[in-house]
Amino acid sequence: AQRVTQPEKLLSVFKGAPVELKCNYSYSGSPELFWYVQYSRQRLQLLLRHISRESIKGFTADLNKGETSFHLKKPFAQEEDSAMYYCALTHSSPGGYNKLIFGAGTRLAVHP
Amino acid sequence: KAGVTQTPRYLIKTRGQQVTLSCSPISGHRSVSWYQQTPGQGLQFLFEYFSETQRNKGNFPGRFSGRQFSNSRSEMNVSTLELGDSALYLCASSLGGGLAFFGQGTRLTVV
Repeated sequence: AQRVTQPEKLLSVFKGAPVELKCNYSYSGSPELFWYVQYSRQRLQLLLRHISRESIKGFTADLNKGETSFHLKKPFAQEEDSAMYYCALTHSSPGGYNKLIFGAGTRLAVHP
Repeated sequence: KAGVTQTPRYLIKTRGQQVTLSCSPISGHRSVSWYQQTPGQGLQFLFEYFSETQRNKGNFPGRFSGRQFSNSRSEMNVSTLELGDSALYLCASSLGGGLAFFGQGTRLTVV
């Protein structure tokens, strides 16, 4: 079964500390992996995707197919990073490209 | 470009009633997907429409249905509402590749 697991419901850090939000997936094919973020009172929005291999707002994520992981990292957390973060994947099968399977989400709280 | 617009933002319905939610995608986006978000189950995929055809369907009962019009606007209908249908319903439009743009959602409360 296709599944995305985010083991931490809450991650609490101090400003300037490194952050790693964990994401593991179970998928029988070749997935596309994403991180979506929801800031307080804002809509859910794309943060980054693995195929672009870019850094957004200082966040990076590397797809590790051997460990089936796609952890989100940032070396120095900022208070404005406080939000709900969702890891998601798509089926790559024909017609399945826009069906997103989400993890349960991790709330990141960055304290001053 | 205007973002994804969902109406209404809030709804209160009684058990047994039916409800219709509306979604206007970003101009040029032909794919519209619907998700249910609840504290217990998180974000769950309901269905996707592309060029007026349902392309994908999640694991929800037949009480949940949808449609898409020629202008890509989509509606979602839930019949015979149950208390457990109380949730935030999110619509997302996309050009493809999992790059979804989400609306603000419609919060449905069933009493």
